[in-house]
Amino acid sequence: DSGVTQTPKHLITATGQRVTLRCSPRSGDLSVYWYQQSLDQGLQFLIHYYNGEERAKGNILERFSAQQFPDLHSELNLSSLELGDSALYFCASSVELGGAYDEQYFGPGTRLTVT
Amino acid sequence: DAKTTQPPSMDCAEGRAANLPCNHSTISGNEYVYWYRQIHSQGPQYIIHGLKNNETNEMASLIITEDRKSSTLILPHATLRDTAVYYCIVRKTSYDKVIFGPGTSLSVIP
Repeated sequence: DSGVTQTPKHLITATGQRVTLRCSPRSGDLSVYWYQQSLDQGLQFLIHYYNGEERAKGNILERFSAQQFPDLHSELNLSSLELGDSALYFCASSVELGGAYDEQYFGPGTRLTVT
Repeated sequence: DAKTTQPPSMDCAEGRAANLPCNHSTISGNEYVYWYRQIHSQGPQYIIHGLKNNETNEMASLIITEDRKSSTLILPHATLRDTAVYYCIVRKTSYDKVIFGPGTSLSVIP
């Protein structure tokens, strides 16, 4: 158990809908990362938040948005869902004191199925 | 594009050492090398990281060449539970994107 929790574990929804994925980092971790993993794309970095502020952005679609709240939990919002958005979504956290990169601890993931 | 290249797959006999190579020929002086692994569809797991010196922890050893253009992750006594996809990534600061390549699928064979 990494200490990172993600909810829900599974989500099935229809095209065009909007969903919110939630991540609670390990206690004391200031950084939260979001990744998408689909069968044909591997592990794709979406976005990184550090202590409430966006720090780095990867291949995140405009239909997707994220935020990190004052209590450090994070939410990933996916809207106007398409079949191709079906994937595993992982959240990871790390301490990164002083902004220095360190190891990430991944949650168990949310499996999103768009029908 | 990933900054690292790894063989797509490898086999290792149970109980033997598994040596997983990673090429990072464009690594800059202050970029660290990190290794993670992913067992089936679980969340990836941190293994080890290093800058220029060899590192060892309870899971593995990391050997980085003197020119830092490549590294090898060593699992000293592979078990069936080490069957996973192993990712090598390089990163400098937390302002950098995190880029995972396709990794190496390691199969530990009884």
